[in-house]
Amino acid sequence: EAQVTQNPRYLITVTGKKLTVTCSQNMNHEYMSWYRQDPGLGLRQIYYSMNVEVTDKGDVPEGYKVSRKEKRNFPLILESPSPNQTSLYFCASMDRNSYNSPLHFGNGTRLTVT
Amino acid sequence: AQKVTQAQTEISVVEKEDVTLDCVYETRDTTYYLFWYKQPPSGELVFLIRRNSFDEQNEISGRYSWNFQKSTSSFNFTITASQVVDSAVYFCALTSEANSKLTFGKGITLSVRP
Repeated sequence: EAQVTQNPRYLITVTGKKLTVTCSQNMNHEYMSWYRQDPGLGLRQIYYSMNVEVTDKGDVPEGYKVSRKEKRNFPLILESPSPNQTSLYFCASMDRNSYNSPLHFGNGTRLTVT
Repeated sequence: AQKVTQAQTEISVVEKEDVTLDCVYETRDTTYYLFWYKQPPSGELVFLIRRNSFDEQNEISGRYSWNFQKSTSSFNFTITASQVVDSAVYFCALTSEANSKLTFGKGITLSVRP
């Protein structure tokens, strides 16, 4: 089954404790992206990647890092989480070369930073 | 820069009413792609449609229909004979050939009352 898998689904942590949210897709998509969703603000893009070893900042990259060492994985790293990074995070992938390809989303990771 | 505006924030209707969700977009690119996603209370993002800028045909899928008008930069979504299960947050999104960012609107919360 074609899917984007994010882990964990829920995460509670404390300020300053480094964490990684994993994302993996099995569709051989070149394009992957991370979003955060906050009430009243919709979904905002954090980082995206057009291909292996190619990453670019989205609209809200501060406080986040990503890496794309292999096509299927695109982890989101919070080196020193802060309470304002409490949010719902989504990973997504897409075949940008396909005429009707949707953006496939993972099921989300709800992060709470205390 | 690209932008998506969903001016309606919350809409409440009674079951069986028709409802239209508005989406207005801005982009300087000539080749671009528009999406609609549904986010039910369970939180996942469900793909509804992708429309490419070179295809202005309107689309109907069951009770759902989409009206794409380049002249007014709009991509509106109509639900006919709404049902309680249509209650969700609906997002419109835009990306383009030249700009790899995917920009979402802030979403419209639709409540369908029995």
